Amino acid sequence: NAGVTQTPKFQVLKTGQSMTLQCAQDMNHEYMSWYRQDPGMGLRLIHYSVGAGITDQGEVPNGYNVSRSTTEDFPLRLLSAAPSQTSVYFCASSYGDREWSGANVLTFGAGSRLTVL
Amino acid sequence: SQQGEEDPQALSIQEGENATMNCSYKTSINNLQWYRQNSGRGLVHLILIRSNEREKHSGRLRVTLDTSKKSSSLLITASRAADTASYFCATDIGGATNKLIFGTGTLLAVQP
Repeated sequence: NAGVTQTPKFQVLKTGQSMTLQCAQDMNHEYMSWYRQDPGMGLRLIHYSVGAGITDQGEVPNGYNVSRSTTEDFPLRLLSAAPSQTSVYFCASSYGDREWSGANVLTFGAGSRLTVL
Repeated sequence: SQQGEEDPQALSIQEGENATMNCSYKTSINNLQWYRQNSGRGLVHLILIRSNEREKHSGRLRVTLDTSKKSSSLLITASRAADTASYFCATDIGGATNKLIFGTGTLLAVQP
């Protein structure tokens, strides 16, 4: 069981470039989400998905795009990178079923550190 | 704006002492969770408390929830150097989604 796998771990981009952060989980979790972590700001939710084919916006969605074509994968696309998107990005997943204890407990990936110059 | 705010922002204690961190939130919740993050790593779930519970224990962890004050506290007893980490509360506001909104975190340093 690999859990939640994020790639790449580190990435440097120039302003205006695009890229995709990959996230894959092997726990058959329905719910997947992307957060960004900035100093003093905690974690802020970018986008999330409650199942394949379903995505929705979080607190800070602008400049990011997501899709969920399979249960396992939830890539995050930066369309035109800006210095304000310099951050550490975390993907997290859960079973997402509210009916039993621990259902929406998140399992996190190790993070992807992105620098935009 | 953040749903959860932790207090204090940073806490330094000696090994063997107890550490208490507080979390305040703004809206009604379904449950509240605490997570731990070691430096440079992803977050790890510690404990979940539901809105109809007032206190919960797990090993050296004790969590309380006061929904009338919209606040929670995390107590780590007999702290160890290995407890050094950032601690975050996260609130599940319910509804049709499973969104968890995180607070700003408390950085705990346990001196050996």
